[in-house]
Amino acid sequence: QSVLTQPPSVSGAPGQRVTISCSGSSSNIGAGYDVHWYQHLPGTAPKLLIYNNINRPSGVPDRFSGSNSGTSASLAIAGLQAEDEGDYHCQSYDSSLTLAVFGGGTKLTVL
Amino acid sequence: EVQLVESGGGLVQPGGSLRLSCAASGFSVSSNEMNWIRQAPGKGLEWISFISSTGTTIYLADSVKGRFTISRDNAQNSVYLQMNSLRADDTAVYYCARSPARVGTRGWFDPWGQGALVTVSS
Repeated sequence: QSVLTQPPSVSGAPGQRVTISCSGSSSNIGAGYDVHWYQHLPGTAPKLLIYNNINRPSGVPDRFSGSNSGTSASLAIAGLQAEDEGDYHCQSYDSSLTLAVFGGGTKLTVL
Repeated sequence: EVQLVESGGGLVQPGGSLRLSCAASGFSVSSNEMNWIRQAPGKGLEWISFISSTGTTIYLADSVKGRFTISRDNAQNSVYLQMNSLRADDTAVYYCARSPARVGTRGWFDPWGQGALVTVSS
């Protein structure tokens, strides 16, 4: 059971916008700890997509955006492309567990 | 190019040991904080170990404490995970990853290696 909760799957047609939620609690996201997002495409290493809630590393398209509010965070992907298909993971820090925590991952399917 | 490459994975019997290596290129592990993170089949990612840039601070998740050890060799520009007393629930893909923000495990991980598969089975 992951500390952060993500939907197991989301889907969308090419060109559409999808959002992936990441629900936490008062000891992690709700405590103000930053949320980070990773993209894990089949056969590749996980890749940093968003850091510190809203920031994109160099090279990540602006189709990807992050936000958070209260005890939850969201990743939005606009203009879906076939190559976006894969798994997406959120991560934060939990002050009760004193360690980095992840969501269970969300599988994105591009229809 | 900043890159991490894991090696040493494989099939091991319950109770056995295995040592994973993580070779870095494009940066020095001696000046960076490093981690091991794993993903069991059908499960989410689980952070399991951290070592500071000086090597003086080490964190281990409760699930591996007393069985796993993290270490580094600056001359080899590598980080290691020694895994002892392995159990079936240690079966997972093991990734090494850097903590570039240098705030321990509160920050993000980047880059990640491609992973090493460890299978614990008789």
